[in-house]
Amino acid sequence: DTEVTQTPKHLVMGMTNKKSLKCEQHMGHRAMYWYKQKAKKPPELMFVYSYEKLSINESVPSRFSPECPNSSLLNLHLHALQPEDSALYLCASSQKPGRSQETQYFGPGTRLLVL
Amino acid sequence: AQSVTQLGSHVSVSEGALVLLRCNYSSSVPPYLFWYVQYPNQGLQLLLKYTSAATLVKGINGFEAEFKKSETSFHLTKPSAHMSDAAEYFCAVSDQGNQGGKLIFGQGTELSVKP
Repeated sequence: DTEVTQTPKHLVMGMTNKKSLKCEQHMGHRAMYWYKQKAKKPPELMFVYSYEKLSINESVPSRFSPECPNSSLLNLHLHALQPEDSALYLCASSQKPGRSQETQYFGPGTRLLVL
Repeated sequence: AQSVTQLGSHVSVSEGALVLLRCNYSSSVPPYLFWYVQYPNQGLQLLLKYTSAATLVKGINGFEAEFKKSETSFHLTKPSAHMSDAAEYFCAVSDQGNQGGKLIFGQGTELSVKP
């Protein structure tokens, strides 16, 4: 099973709302990633968790707050977002953190619209 | 620093024709290279990857890519296009510095297949 699941599929939120995106994998992977993808652009890395600890933060604004409660679950908490944050948010996982030859397995994404 | 460049943001072929999507890389160390495909409203799926074993890499759905060090290229090919191949294709190189595992994506190539 090489599946990464993400919920919800779609999310519409106002600029004052608080919402969360959820990502789950049961492949025993110990690296998990959040990416942001705008239309017709490649994914941009936001955060990396290695062994449930935040290892990379690509200078993401604090209105995005990641959390890794356990080795299977990754959350992205959203607060006071801006319309330009509307995008497809992708989660990915890989087996061993820090190994450059590892394959990253992507979920289907959450399409976020900020009004 | 490592990078990839995809030549051609849009490629159009007829059904049954050869598919050739171009990717050139820049790396001071032997690279780990990946091709991902993204169908509309979906996440990314790995087609194939090069990790310094065989230079000709076979992937899923009839795709293959050849690593050519002398040309710093990793072009993706498929002998005969199918309508279902229409998608966005991303070439990526894996960072081998202190952010091991971080994927650096090209800008993507949109493949259209005409009947």
